[in-house]
Amino acid sequence: QQQVKQSPQSLIVQKGGIPIINCAYENTAFDYFPWYQQFPGKGPALLIAIRPDVSEKKEGRFTISFNKSAKQFSLHIMDSQPGDSATYFCAARDGGSNYKLTFGKGTLLTVNP
Amino acid sequence: SQTIHQWPATLVQPVGSPLSLECTVEGTSNPNLYWYRQAAGRGLQLLFYSVGIGQISSEVPQNLSASRPQDRQFILSSKKLLLSDSGFYLCAWSKGSNQPQHFGDGTRLSIL
Repeated sequence: QQQVKQSPQSLIVQKGGIPIINCAYENTAFDYFPWYQQFPGKGPALLIAIRPDVSEKKEGRFTISFNKSAKQFSLHIMDSQPGDSATYFCAARDGGSNYKLTFGKGTLLTVNP
Repeated sequence: SQTIHQWPATLVQPVGSPLSLECTVEGTSNPNLYWYRQAAGRGLQLLFYSVGIGQISSEVPQNLSASRPQDRQFILSSKKLLLSDSGFYLCAWSKGSNQPQHFGDGTRLSIL
């Protein structure tokens, strides 16, 4: 059972575009939603995270939008650059068993120059 | 600052051979430690986690085991590798169960 559904699987944008990656969940016990960025051959790096008591969080060019009623959250990358080309994973943490992160399947983002 | 090290970076092993992957964390004490496996197109799957020395919890029954002989050392092992054990193995740490997890650069394991 996939608890965090991520889309699209892959995404191609031009430099300066705004790629949007979406995630949806069902478990209302999730209380923390991080996004990770992974380059080939490297481990995922924490990019930005949000808790369900806020609707939006910005860090530099990265923004998370969170819709608690719809149980959806998304990552927006402003003014995307070729260096942003990577795989992005959303995740959700179960506050009931708060050690465990459940990950989406990932989105391969390509930003063309 | 805290750092996490995994080795080896790549490993090629024959079916039926044993396995030992090591992960160490520097710059913190009593971290939570995690082993994940990443398969192409399937995200990250939690295999084991540990909240202290000698304390191991398994998430997925399988051919693998984990041990934590020291506070900042986490080891993933197998007595006999299967073809299905191939994958990208990632170690992660967090300061506590409600703190962000930070990943190492992984070990690419190929079983022949």
